[in-house]
Amino acid sequence: AQSVTQLDSQVPVFEEAPVELRCNYSSSVSVYLFWYVQYPNQGLQLLLKYLSGSTLVKGINGFEAEFNKSQTSFHLRKPSVHISDTAEYFCAVTPPGRRALTFGSGTRLQVQP
Amino acid sequence: EPEVTQTPSHQVTQMGQEVILRCVPISNHLYFYWYRQILGQKVEFLVSFYNNEISEKSEIFDDQFSVERPDGSNFTLKIRSTKLEDSAMYFCASSEFPTGDGYTFGSGTRLTVV
Repeated sequence: AQSVTQLDSQVPVFEEAPVELRCNYSSSVSVYLFWYVQYPNQGLQLLLKYLSGSTLVKGINGFEAEFNKSQTSFHLRKPSVHISDTAEYFCAVTPPGRRALTFGSGTRLQVQP
Repeated sequence: EPEVTQTPSHQVTQMGQEVILRCVPISNHLYFYWYRQILGQKVEFLVSFYNNEISEKSEIFDDQFSVERPDGSNFTLKIRSTKLEDSAMYFCASSEFPTGDGYTFGSGTRLTVV
C-alpha cells in the first residue's frame, strides 16, 4: 500500500516570494507521482507528473517539482507566486499499472499581497 | 479545452434515499473513475471503470455503491441507501490511457445527506 504525507496544511506567502510545498510518500514499489491543484469551486487540475527520467519536472503555471528517491519526496516549488496561485494543492501517487491514485491531505497555499 | 461535466453541483438527500450522481467524461476517454472527499479529509479513490466493467475498487466501494455507463456518454454513481457519512464531494474523472497520463477531473458534486 502507498501513503502520502503533506506536512503543511497551510502555507501563507507574500506575492512574488518563492514557495515550496512538501510531499513525502511511502511505498514498497516504485510509483508515479503527481501534483494537482484545486481552485475554489473547481475540480482537480493536473499541475505536473513524474513517471520516469529526469527528476526535475516542469509543469503548468511556472511550477516545478523534484523527485528524490532516497528521501521519498516530491516537493513542489515556484520561484515567484501570484495571487492567482491561491488554491489547494494535492500530491498523489500510484504504482505503474494501477488505476487508483492515493492522495495526500492537501496544502492550502494562501498568497497575500 | 475538453471538460468532464458533473451534475448536479449540489444535491441534498434524506438518509435512506437512493441518489444517482451523473458525469459526462471526455468523449475519447476510455477509463472512468469516481473519487470522494469528505469535508476536511483526503481525496479517496472509490472505483475505476473500463470496457463496461469495474477494473478496480476500494474498500469504501461496498454493496451500497454501483456504477454504470448507461449510454455512450454518461457515467453514473449510484448510492442505494444513503447514510449521513456519505456526505462528501464526489469527483468523477476520465483518462484516455491508464493512470500514467493523469486524469481530467470534473468539478464535483457536493452530496449532503440529512
